[in-house]
Amino acid sequence: GNSVTQMEGPVTLSEEAFLTINCTYTATGYPSLFWYVQYPGEGLQLLLKATKADDKGSNKGFEATYRKETTSFHLEKGSVQVSDSAVYFCALSDLTSGTYKYIFGTGTRLKVLA
Amino acid sequence: DGGITQSPKYLFRKEGQNVTLSCEQNLNHDAMYWYRQDPGQGLRLIYYSQIVNDFQKGDIAEGYSVSREKKESFPLTVTSAQKNPTAFYLCASSIRQWRNTIYFGEGSWLTVV
Repeated sequence: GNSVTQMEGPVTLSEEAFLTINCTYTATGYPSLFWYVQYPGEGLQLLLKATKADDKGSNKGFEATYRKETTSFHLEKGSVQVSDSAVYFCALSDLTSGTYKYIFGTGTRLKVLA
Repeated sequence: DGGITQSPKYLFRKEGQNVTLSCEQNLNHDAMYWYRQDPGQGLRLIYYSQIVNDFQKGDIAEGYSVSREKKESFPLTVTSAQKNPTAFYLCASSIRQWRNTIYFGEGSWLTVV
């Protein structure tokens, strides 16, 4: 079945450091891939998405490229800020038996120190 | 503004009580979902509905019930059969199209007292 695996957290970085959060997936079809961000006590917000191989999603300095050959969708940011501290979820959506289903990773907590 | 509204934000339940969490969306989305999130954990699917008057069990449906009488509304009832209901509950919705995005409400905290 479909699944998403993302790196364990927490990830602790200093301000202006480079960020990478790894995400790999397993899917039988042609999924869309997403990164969501969750701030404490809030719902998930869409950060970026990519819908086909080699697409690059980007938003607020974050980027991720849909790599079909390595089944990966790693999240990167060149220079993190304290305000980026949150939990990040990788997810995929696919059509399974006529139903659109979303599979989420377990989340990676990022803490950025000033 | 379009969005998903969950209420209440905080809810306390006594042992043996049923409680209902409200979820309303004005995005004109066909599909709606309920997820449970435990502290430090990922999301687990409770129930989902692709169209009005139809819904399916997710991975952890035991002790929960839902209804979908209107397109905009998808309330979740946490019954007394749910033995460990303390968690953060997230409602979400999406359009039923290829490569669609799922959108989330702000969540509801349920605590058993």
